[in-house]
Amino acid sequence: DGGITQSPKYLFRKEGQNVTLSCEQNLNHDAMYWYRQDPGQGLRLIYYSQIVNDFQKGDIAEGYSVSREKKESFPLTVTSAQKNPTAFYLCASSNEGQALYGYTFGSGTRLTVV
Amino acid sequence: RKEVEQDPGPFNVPEGATVAFNCTYSNSASQSFFWYRQDCRKEPKLLMSVYSSGNEDGRFTAQLNRASQYISLLIRDSKLSDSATYLCVVRLQGGGADGLTFGKGTHLIIQP
Repeated sequence: DGGITQSPKYLFRKEGQNVTLSCEQNLNHDAMYWYRQDPGQGLRLIYYSQIVNDFQKGDIAEGYSVSREKKESFPLTVTSAQKNPTAFYLCASSNEGQALYGYTFGSGTRLTVV
Repeated sequence: RKEVEQDPGPFNVPEGATVAFNCTYSNSASQSFFWYRQDCRKEPKLLMSVYSSGNEDGRFTAQLNRASQYISLLIRDSKLSDSATYLCVVRLQGGGADGLTFGKGTHLIIQP
């Protein structure tokens, strides 16, 4: 079955440490996205990529970095510059030509600073 | 400023009842509208797109009112399994990823 896979499900980060969240999709979608969700808050866009080797900053890109070397993969690195990284991170994908169908989300990674 | 507003609830509703909630959006250039369902500590899942003429999917009915800039979701004969947070999502005309705005969600609790 086609889908979008995020790993790990839970991740613990020490102060000052960089961590990378994985996102892989086999839906043949062109566009991929990273969102952050805090309790009681809406999803906020961190980065997005509409094509391989190209990506754009979203509303809250500071302290994060991404790469898009393959169509299937869009990893997110949470750097030590991100001062409040504890959150639920969601990866999504879509085909821009199918905007009416919305986005498909991965099951998320819950990141906690310890 | 792009903004999508929802009543956070919680809406406490007895099983079998009908419940409706609205979502308002501020940008008149918004073109596509969706309702997503999010269970506790899970990812959002697309419940239904909202079409201009309104649309129905089983017990769920979505309506769009462009003049007043709101969309609604009606759930009939509510089930315990309908308990979740419902996210309103709005997409700007021609917008890419930064044209998609999520509401904070309405929390629905169906009580036996």
